[in-house]
Amino acid sequence: DAKTTQPPSMDCAEGRAANLPCNHSTISGNEYVYWYRQIHSQGPQYIIHGLKNNETNEMASLIITEDRKSSTLILPHATLRDTAVYYCIVRSSGGGADGLTFGKGTHLIIQP
Amino acid sequence: DAGITQSPRHKVTETGTPVTLRCHQTENHRYMYWYRQDPGHGLRLIHYSYGVKDTDKGEVSEGYSVSRSKTEDFLLTLESATSSQTSVYFCATVEGQSGNTIYFGEGSWLTVV
Repeated sequence: DAKTTQPPSMDCAEGRAANLPCNHSTISGNEYVYWYRQIHSQGPQYIIHGLKNNETNEMASLIITEDRKSSTLILPHATLRDTAVYYCIVRSSGGGADGLTFGKGTHLIIQP
Repeated sequence: DAGITQSPRHKVTETGTPVTLRCHQTENHRYMYWYRQDPGHGLRLIHYSYGVKDTDKGEVSEGYSVSRSKTEDFLLTLESATSSQTSVYFCATVEGQSGNTIYFGEGSWLTVV
């Protein structure tokens, strides 16, 4: 089973910030939080990842709570092209041997 | 991106025939994965590899086999394709060190008729 829980869908107005929540209450100390998105049936696209501290890059910001049991992905100025399914996943820092488990993600719909 | 190439990108095959999908990467990543994606199920892990000739099963491995004879290639084989294996297949790779980015290929659309 996926280690994360996300709402199935969300709407956001174009130009506003989109805040996508993710619960990962069973996360262990060496597991990173990753965010990916998938547009139509393309391959998942990497957005951002973090361990403890908040992270920001040119695409988004990642806010991780102090207890690391939840996180929020923030798209600061959503555009129509940000409409996609967003996946929050956790992965051990020990390598990829345990694979990645994807949940069903959040379908973010940006409204004009 | 990690230079991941999947082939073929689209294939239609008949029930009972063998099919092999290839994932090729140019970044010398140690770990490689095969996923399938179906409506209502999201991405599900089929098999993964943690090195040459080192592979293991994922969540939905029944009916599939894999091989990795070279670092750059990870092959997924359907020994006898069934209609339930009609799906989109994605390959992914990662270096394996802490916190590294995982890269995905563009997908292979397989239809079994």
